[in-house]
Amino acid sequence: EAGVVQSPRYKIIEKKQPVAFWCNPISGHNTLYWYLQNLGQGPELLIRYENEEAVDDSQLPKDRFSAERLKGVDSTLKIQPAELGDSAVYLCASSPGAGDTDTQYFGPGTRLTVL
Amino acid sequence: GQNIDQPTEMTATEGAIVQINCTYQTSGFNGLFWYQQHAGEAPTFLSYNVLDGLEEKGRFSSFLSRSKGYSYLLLKELQMKDSASYLCAVMDSNYQLIWGAGTKLIIKP
Repeated sequence: EAGVVQSPRYKIIEKKQPVAFWCNPISGHNTLYWYLQNLGQGPELLIRYENEEAVDDSQLPKDRFSAERLKGVDSTLKIQPAELGDSAVYLCASSPGAGDTDTQYFGPGTRLTVL
Repeated sequence: GQNIDQPTEMTATEGAIVQINCTYQTSGFNGLFWYQQHAGEAPTFLSYNVLDGLEEKGRFSSFLSRSKGYSYLLLKELQMKDSASYLCAVMDSNYQLIWGAGTKLIIKP
């Protein structure tokens, strides 16, 4: 069974440029998460989707970050414009959605460097 | 506020046993997770505890005491491939995962 797929794996951009990350969750998983992880820290939740509905986006900096999951399957996270402090690993995770305490399965992440 | 504490770094010897502790203060409790994360890779699920006691899974065991807000991950017969960061995460009353910063485990021959 394929795991969570993310692309690109690495991205280097100049500050003020836009960037987008893509995630395809495990087949059949209804819940999708976007996290940000800085070096030596745990993941920080940005947004959680149940199917196509964003049920928790309280930690998403909405002035520059946006996300969508139009058909309830794959998802895109966008930053526009990027700032130096956005350099981090962006992780996507999915869970079956059968229960609130579902185990989350992570993709390999996108390492973003903003110059 | 919500807080997860775990040691920043630990060192152990190949073949030995190591215990990684995690203490937590969260608004509500709906279970505690341990994840393993190798450098540059995604976190992978190790264990889930929601009731007090010890859960054993091969060389890895996880213990929970809800009254003490405490958990530990026990790794036996350490192998070099166990060198990684170990993340403790607690699910709060809103079913949101609160993550610790992780413990970097270094295994020496």
